[in-house]
Amino acid sequence: KNEVEQSPQNLTAQEGEFITINCSYSVGISALHWLQQHPGGGIVSLFMLSSGKKKHGRLIATINIQEKHSSLHITASHPRDSAVYICAVPYSGGGADGLTFGKGTHLIIQP
Amino acid sequence: NAGVMQNPRHLVRRRGQEARLRCSPVKGHSHVYWYRQLPEEGLKFMVYLQKENIIDESGMPKERFSAEFPKEGPSILRIQQVVRGDSAAYFCASSPMRSGHRSGANVLTFGAGSRLTVL
Repeated sequence: KNEVEQSPQNLTAQEGEFITINCSYSVGISALHWLQQHPGGGIVSLFMLSSGKKKHGRLIATINIQEKHSSLHITASHPRDSAVYICAVPYSGGGADGLTFGKGTHLIIQP
Repeated sequence: NAGVMQNPRHLVRRRGQEARLRCSPVKGHSHVYWYRQLPEEGLKFMVYLQKENIIDESGMPKERFSAEFPKEGPSILRIQQVVRGDSAAYFCASSPMRSGHRSGANVLTFGAGSRLTVL
């Protein structure tokens, strides 16, 4: 079973700051997901990546397959970015079926 | 194009009753995943289904829980004889292919969740 560790668990920052959230996993994978869960509880899939880097607006996700590590960055953070950010990898480690999730990083961006 | 629709959004049951949670995937998606989020805990995989087939139920409790995805209609997660420990948010996600199977594409869509409270 793949173990997923996220850090930090909680993060409070000021508007405009550059944010980094880290994720490490124990078993080699084919792809990793970054999810966002808002205070209302809904979950949005932000990225699925298997190598290198992806960018969407102010969000950047990177992954190092050899190091079994991924980072999610937010540039020019805004209060509306306040949410729980969750890293997830394939449940079996084989790249198929369900996901194993990190406990999430609770991000608060203060105006 | 509606996303994943889950209902009910909130469900209250007494101990011993049955809970039925429904999930209608994105149109054209034939792969459905159910996840459970217990209070103050992370999401946990429960079951993965394709139309009329359970592919992986390794995350489902062995008793009282069952899931189906019939040829017609939504996927249903059924919990019989609920207990207080079943109180959680249950999320459904759908995909046009096996999650993680295709690199370079973000293909997983989550529903808003169904929050079950067992009194």
